[in-house]
Amino acid sequence: GDSVTQMEGPVTLSEEAFLTINCTYTATGYPSLFWYVQYPGEGLQLLLKATKADDKGSNKGFEATYRKETTSFHLEKGSVQVSDSAVYFCALSASSGGYQKVTFGIGTKLQVIP
Amino acid sequence: DAGVTQSPTHLIKTRGQQVTLRCSPISGHKSVSWYQQVLGQGPQFIFQYYEKEERGRGNFPDRFSARQFPNYSSELNVNALLLGDSALYLCASSLALKGQEVDGYTFGSGTRLTVV
Repeated sequence: GDSVTQMEGPVTLSEEAFLTINCTYTATGYPSLFWYVQYPGEGLQLLLKATKADDKGSNKGFEATYRKETTSFHLEKGSVQVSDSAVYFCALSASSGGYQKVTFGIGTKLQVIP
Repeated sequence: DAGVTQSPTHLIKTRGQQVTLRCSPISGHKSVSWYQQVLGQGPQFIFQYYEKEERGRGNFPDRFSARQFPNYSSELNVNALLLGDSALYLCASSLALKGQEVDGYTFGSGTRLTVV
């Protein structure tokens, strides 16, 4: 079945540091890929998405490129802020028995310290 | 425009009881999905509904059931609650066109269920 593997946290960075959170996936067909962010006590918010190979999703300074050859969708940001502290989930959406099923990774907690 | 709304926000139930959680999707969204998120884990798929019909079901026991109403709102029911059912239950809506999710899911803030 479909699966998403992402690096386990927590990841602790100083403000203005470079961020990379690795994500790889296993899926049949051509899934869409997503990064969601969850702030404490809240639901998940869609951060960015990519629907086909070589697409780059970007939002709020975060970027991720859909790499079919390496089945990866790594999240990057050039300069993190304290307000970026949250849990980040990599996810894929693929057809399964006539509907689109979304499969999430375990989540990576990011803590940014001043 | 209101986002996905879920009620209640928090709930405490006793083992063996039954619970009903409610979700109202974004206006115009016809697809509603339910997820269970245990502390420290990613969300796990429970159900997806589209146009009042169940389109998909995850690996959950029959104690879990759901339905979607003509206005596209949805309810998730869990019977015979177990301690392990304690989790954040998330509802997500999407704009499904001809069976394809177009923009990903918009999630509500969830219902925190504690079973004691």
